[in-house]
Amino acid sequence: EIVMTQSPATLSVSPGERATLSCRASQSVSSNLAWYQQKPGQAPRLLIYGASTRATGIPARFSGSGSGTEFTLTISSLQSEDFAVYYCQQYNNWPVGFGQGTKVEIK
Amino acid sequence: QVTLRESGPALVKPTQTLTLTCTFSGFSLSTSGMCVSWIRQPPGKALEWLALIDWDDDKYYSTSLKTRLTISKDTSKNQVVLTMTNMDPVDTATYYCARTLAYKHFDYWGQGTLVTVSS
Repeated sequence: EIVMTQSPATLSVSPGERATLSCRASQSVSSNLAWYQQKPGQAPRLLIYGASTRATGIPARFSGSGSGTEFTLTISSLQSEDFAVYYCQQYNNWPVGFGQGTKVEIK
Repeated sequence: QVTLRESGPALVKPTQTLTLTCTFSGFSLSTSGMCVSWIRQPPGKALEWLALIDWDDDKYYSTSLKTRLTISKDTSKNQVVLTMTNMDPVDTATYYCARTLAYKHFDYWGQGTLVTVSS
């Protein structure tokens, strides 16, 4: 099974600043990588799929990049509603796997 | 409009069997490419995929839990059912169902249902 590793575990960022989250796969997943945002008490919400395609209704400040084993989610200018936990997920090989999450907190 | 909703017991005892139902609308599980998965999340922990059923009634399970899981569908009722046997306190989690298109990402999620395993 492919193991997904996210870093850092926690990212402290001030509103308006850029946040860069990393996700690494234990073997190539091509571009079959998604990012989700989860706020407390809520279900995950799809942000990015295909490594770089924003899901419907997702603001342009969210962008994804990478392929193979290294991926990045960038939030260009953090808004108050962006403080949450972010998960990456590969769907190149089933069973699919999620990373352990990166918590983006207010600095 | 696609919606999914999980239902089932909030509390189960150790060794019991858990049965969860996902009722969905806005799509048909008989449409080619449609899949529904179950995913769980222990309190404060990461997401864990459990099982998937597709439009053709093919089923896939988590390697570590496959002996305890059964997934099924009732297309006429727009429902997917997950059973998990021999429940243990470590299975305490919020259980989500989610839609997948063509074995890709999870584009729609239910709100989740918290299941606590305790005597």
